[in-house]
Amino acid sequence: QKEVEQDPGPLSVPEGAIVSLNCTYSNSAFQYFMWYRQYSRKGPELLMYTYSSGNKEDGRFTAQVDKSSKYISLFIRDSQPSDSATYLCATYPRGYSTLTFGKGTMLLVSP
Amino acid sequence: KAGVTQTPRYLIKTRGQQVTLSCSPISGHRSVSWYQQTPGQGLQFLFEYFSETQRNKGNFPGRFSGRQFSNSRSEMNVSTLELGDSALYLCASSLAQGGTGELFFGEGSRLTVL
Repeated sequence: QKEVEQDPGPLSVPEGAIVSLNCTYSNSAFQYFMWYRQYSRKGPELLMYTYSSGNKEDGRFTAQVDKSSKYISLFIRDSQPSDSATYLCATYPRGYSTLTFGKGTMLLVSP
Repeated sequence: KAGVTQTPRYLIKTRGQQVTLSCSPISGHRSVSWYQQTPGQGLQFLFEYFSETQRNKGNFPGRFSGRQFSNSRSEMNVSTLELGDSALYLCASSLAQGGTGELFFGEGSRLTVL
């Protein structure tokens, strides 16, 4: 079992839909959680970063962490075609070693 | 402010050859990490350099090596290439080792091994 599991998709939604992207992780030592967005032929870019359980909002994006169930989510409201990309969750433990990434979920938002 | 620059962007090699990839981090960033990205395995950590010293290494064979120069630029080398080495190699820089996890990635070097 990989340490971070993520459904590869693709997830296809119409413009304006609410999107839910999810990851599960197995190592309870993971304390910090991130979402990266990767457009085709580009490197990943940091989208959201959170430490504690609960929600963190930034514009149309909300990151949610539930450490008790080892489940992290990214919600995108009013999705746009420009949101079409691969979304990678990533995590690392306290004291930092290296980031562990999920394989990414491809999101396609159609006009 | 210039981002992370990786060269070359695309390259094709044959089995048994070796390849060297280059990465110039964001100005002022002293930590450089390398990742291999494939459809099957996703992003896998290769190694991290900070102040010219390798600080962490992933689970890759010794054919994969790297180094960092005094100006923080980094190179990675893969010797005796195998078909399975075909991948996107991503370099990421950060201000310091063990930062907040905010890595700034380059656009990658796409290696095809024939």
